[in-house]
Amino acid sequence: QVQLVQSGSELKKPGASVKVSCKASGYTFTSYAMNWVRQAPGQGLEWMGWINTNTGNPTYAQGFTGRFVFSLDTSVSTAYLQISSLKAEDTAVYYCASLSYDSSGYFPTYDAFDIWGQGTMVTVSS
Amino acid sequence: QSALTQPASVSGSPGQSITISCTGTSSDVGSYNLVSWYQQHPGKAPKLMIYEGSKRPSGVSNRFSGSKSGNTASLTISGLQAEDEADYYCCSYAGSSTYVVFGGGTKLTVL
Repeated sequence: QVQLVQSGSELKKPGASVKVSCKASGYTFTSYAMNWVRQAPGQGLEWMGWINTNTGNPTYAQGFTGRFVFSLDTSVSTAYLQISSLKAEDTAVYYCASLSYDSSGYFPTYDAFDIWGQGTMVTVSS
Repeated sequence: QSALTQPASVSGSPGQSITISCTGTSSDVGSYNLVSWYQQHPGKAPKLMIYEGSKRPSGVSNRFSGSKSGNTASLTISGLQAEDEADYYCCSYAGSSTYVVFGGGTKLTVL
């Protein structure tokens, strides 16, 4: 069964850091690019960027540079999102989602986020 | 403010058809055949319903269809069912600088 399973909810204080995991199963981890999508409470979806699961090279969307870091551990088919210096406005559900690669194997096709994790709620509150 | 514009809400009665629009620009929807649509029930992860403008993934009902004209993409749901009540988001590739943009989402109510 193809699936992405994310780590559980987190409650953090402002200024702290959090690391969310996304474990893939049922497919070859390096065959799909891993993306991260944020959804603030009651709001829409916002693409944060993606990480190349073959090279580990991340690409961050505007607004997600500096405090946000994507990483991998391919030995356990897991992608990570780390957010540092947390702020109240980081409170959101964070999803991982897969994208196919194009024929080069280095760039996503951007055609369809076809597999999604169940989401991880990160709450930032003092 | 989202990059793609969707109506905040639409509604329809069981058995009817509804269409959700998604308006972008010549830099995203208008330039690429890479519009996708996602269904999201409360508290659940989004689910891919349409990709590349009009293609349905395996397992998605043929009651769901997609199209595009110029800078506007559309999702049509025919034969509305109670289980279709959800939020729907459009998404488009937007070139090698912005990459991906989502619409603000449309809440579908089945009356």
